[in-house]
Amino acid sequence: AQKVTQAQTEISVVEKEDVTLDCVYETRDTTYYLFWYKQPPSGELVFLIRRNSFDEQNEISGRYSWNFQKSTSSFNFTITASQVVDSAVYFCALSDPQAGTALIFGKGTTLSVSS
Amino acid sequence: DSGVTQTPKHLITATGQRVTLRCSPRSGDLSVYWYQQSLDQGLQFLIQYYNGEERAKGNILERFSAQQFPDLHSELNLSSLELGDSALYFCASSTGAGGPIDTQYFGPGTRLTVL
Repeated sequence: AQKVTQAQTEISVVEKEDVTLDCVYETRDTTYYLFWYKQPPSGELVFLIRRNSFDEQNEISGRYSWNFQKSTSSFNFTITASQVVDSAVYFCALSDPQAGTALIFGKGTTLSVSS
Repeated sequence: DSGVTQTPKHLITATGQRVTLRCSPRSGDLSVYWYQQSLDQGLQFLIQYYNGEERAKGNILERFSAQQFPDLHSELNLSSLELGDSALYFCASSTGAGGPIDTQYFGPGTRLTVL
């Protein structure tokens, strides 16, 4: 069965600190897709990134970077020089084409950045 | 703004009642997904429609039903409401083509409170 685990329930940092959000996934299939979504206090779910299982290149977008490692079934998210506006709940999700295209979400990590 | 719209934003009703949540997908997207976010269950997939046809079902109760209309908007009907149905209901849309470019974009959600 497919599963996503975000072991960190809450993380608190001070502005300008770097922070890494962990995501571990389980799937038996070789083709799958991984996602990160951000849910700010306003409540909407904002798409951040998509990674395909056959593309292990890490990605950087501004202060955000993602480290995908198939060997450890992990897809971790790092925010460099965090800002107060980064405070949100972050969700990692898995989509396994063999099981349809619905997203399987982790429980989320609440990030609080203080000034 | 994801381009996915949901109405109403908030809904307060009583136990035993029936409500309808509405979703309009992004222009060009054929697939609509419904998710429920609650404190105890997290984000859970309910149901998916593709071009008017039901494509996949998740943890959707028998009291809940959905449909997608010819103009591709979708409605989620919740009946015989219970206190435990209080949650944030998200609609997401995607092209529905599957594969490495099919990403789900979420609407702002409808917050349902059952009293």
